Amino acid sequence: SSELTQDPAVSVALGQTVRITCQGDSLRTYHASWYQQKPGLAPVLVIYGKTNRPSGIPDRFSGSSSGNTASLTITGAQAEDEADYYCSSRDSITNHLYVFGNGTKVTVL
Amino acid sequence: QVELQQSGPGLVKPSQTLSLTCAISGDSVSNDNAAWSWIRQSPSRGLVWLGRTYYRSEWYTDYAVSVKSRITINPDTSKNQFSLQLNSVTPEDTAVYYCARDAGAGLYYFDYWGQGTLVTVSS
Repeated sequence: SSELTQDPAVSVALGQTVRITCQGDSLRTYHASWYQQKPGLAPVLVIYGKTNRPSGIPDRFSGSSSGNTASLTITGAQAEDEADYYCSSRDSITNHLYVFGNGTKVTVL
Repeated sequence: QVELQQSGPGLVKPSQTLSLTCAISGDSVSNDNAAWSWIRQSPSRGLVWLGRTYYRSEWYTDYAVSVKSRITINPDTSKNQFSLQLNSVTPEDTAVYYCARDAGAGLYYFDYWGQGTLVTVSS
């Protein structure tokens, strides 16, 4: 089945920049979306259509992609950005229409 | 502002049926641009999409292969909600279940989520 692969964890110093990547064959065809999830809460959409931010999401969050890799960048990370981040896209191979990455834990130091 | 409010039991016995409901406010389950999904999350499997229902002049459903033989998702236009039924559950179906809206336009993302329901399968 199609998979989206993320690094399990990354850390960033307060105010610095961190990039989270997501790799998968489906990303050659379909845009990635990104979700932030804090403990005990539902995921929150932070990027969709590869580069778009929903209303209310700070502009320090940005998305990009190249080939089979999508990236989420947090420029000037804040303490409240500490969370799990998941990528997602349409699945081009299986009947799981939507596929999610395994998640990246972002720690803000 | 769209809100999704989930309801249903948090404990289900093995071999029985898991049933959850997602009530929609601020949108219509019959919105012919949106799709309405169920997703679950467990520590062992992460986030997994289970299925969806949507209206495009008539009602459609799509199900993940992994649960296709056991799942039913139904819209309820009179109550503006949709439901999940998962039959013959086992402890492996223990997870947090979410309902979510795909806003459409072919971009395949979920812009609104329910609050989540922890469902434990145990006798």
